[in-house]
Amino acid sequence: NAGVTQTPKFRVLKTGQSMTLLCAQDMNHEYMYWYRQDPGMGLRLIHYSVGEGTTAKGEVPDGYNVSRLKKQNFLLGLESAAPSQTSVYFCASRTSGKRDTGELFFGEGSRLTVL
Amino acid sequence: GDSVTQMEGPVTLSEEAFLTINCTYTATGYPSLFWYVQYPGEGLQLLLKATKADDKGSNKGFEATYRKETTSFHLEKGSVQVSDSAVYFCALLMTGNQFYFGTGTSLTVIP
Repeated sequence: NAGVTQTPKFRVLKTGQSMTLLCAQDMNHEYMYWYRQDPGMGLRLIHYSVGEGTTAKGEVPDGYNVSRLKKQNFLLGLESAAPSQTSVYFCASRTSGKRDTGELFFGEGSRLTVL
Repeated sequence: GDSVTQMEGPVTLSEEAFLTINCTYTATGYPSLFWYVQYPGEGLQLLLKATKADDKGSNKGFEATYRKETTSFHLEKGSVQVSDSAVYFCALLMTGNQFYFGTGTSLTVIP
């Protein structure tokens, strides 16, 4: 049971470089989310998607872009990385409709360091 | 706006001690409330939840009661174990798609 899988799990970037984090879920969930986790700040929502082809901004969207071309994948892009984007990134998914219990299913996280 | 405030840590307890982690919320309506747990090196996973006032969520010996009058959802366990060492997050979900998480409380249980 794969659940929610994030790649890569670790990455070191230099300021100004770009990269993409991939989130894949095999549960046929409609909703997908990208969070960042920083010490003393809990989880903050970056972007989310309520279905294939749709995305929306969360609490801290600046410096990030996302795409949901396929229902099972949600990509988080950093076009020009900055040290302030050093963080642990979590992807989560959730079902919708009658099966929705409100539960989020999380990936194991991706630790990104920007030098 | 909607928000969650939870007790700051870290919390260190001896095995078999009683645990309380406080959580209060601010919401314009009637949210669903959750406790998530994050074990070292892992993502968050749902511990328990409650969807309406006076509901009690429970799992693995943990309990939390949705108190509308005090806007609280405190997490309790009567006897903690070393394996309970983790970071605990309180969260709320209003009708819609966005969750609001607290800052997390780190718990360490020593033998």
